[in-house]
Amino acid sequence: DIQMTQSPSTLSASVGDRVTITCRASQSISRWLAWYQQKPGKAPKLLIHRASSLESGVSSRFSGSGSGTEFTLTIRNLQPDDFATYFCHQYTSHSGTFGQGTQVEIK
Amino acid sequence: ELQLVESGGGLVQPGGSLTLSCAASGFTVGTHDMSWVRQAPGKGLAWVASFDTTGGTYYADSVQGRFSISRDKSENTLYLHMNNLRTEDTALYFCARGRGDCDDRTCYPLLVNWGQGTLVTVSS
Repeated sequence: DIQMTQSPSTLSASVGDRVTITCRASQSISRWLAWYQQKPGKAPKLLIHRASSLESGVSSRFSGSGSGTEFTLTIRNLQPDDFATYFCHQYTSHSGTFGQGTQVEIK
Repeated sequence: ELQLVESGGGLVQPGGSLTLSCAASGFTVGTHDMSWVRQAPGKGLAWVASFDTTGGTYYADSVQGRFSISRDKSENTLYLHMNNLRTEDTALYFCARGRGDCDDRTCYPLLVNWGQGTLVTVSS
């Protein structure tokens, strides 16, 4: 299985900050990486697919980059609604694997 | 409006069985890849099983031979039949609708829409 290592596990930030979350794959996944936002008791929400393609309706404050084994999710001008858990997902096959998640909390 | 609503979770003893349901609305389960993903307490997400549009089924090694994924087009519902449950199967189970993300050679199974999950607890 392809292992996804996500960091940091927790991130403290303030409204208006720019934050970056990283995912590293144990082998190349080209650009087949998605980012999700999850809030307690809610369904995960797809933010970005194919490493950098923003899903329709998602704020342009979210952006993704990377290819191969190194990927980043950047949130600029952090808003109160952005405090949540974010996780990456490599989907090179049905048996895709996930990062452990990053909880973005209010500083 | 597209919606996925899971149900059927609960407390079950080790070795027991349970069937989870995922009722879909706003689309037809038969025309999309559908998957189950779980999240054990304090752990990350883990893919469990998928059903593709050709009828193909796929299972994680940890559930192969014990779990079975199926769908009922008339009920527009996805199921996960779980047998011989183990304590390590304790998790929040999500169903998800997929979308093929395609390049010029093949399509990759992107998980697009998720339900809120149903909790399965395996304990004596």
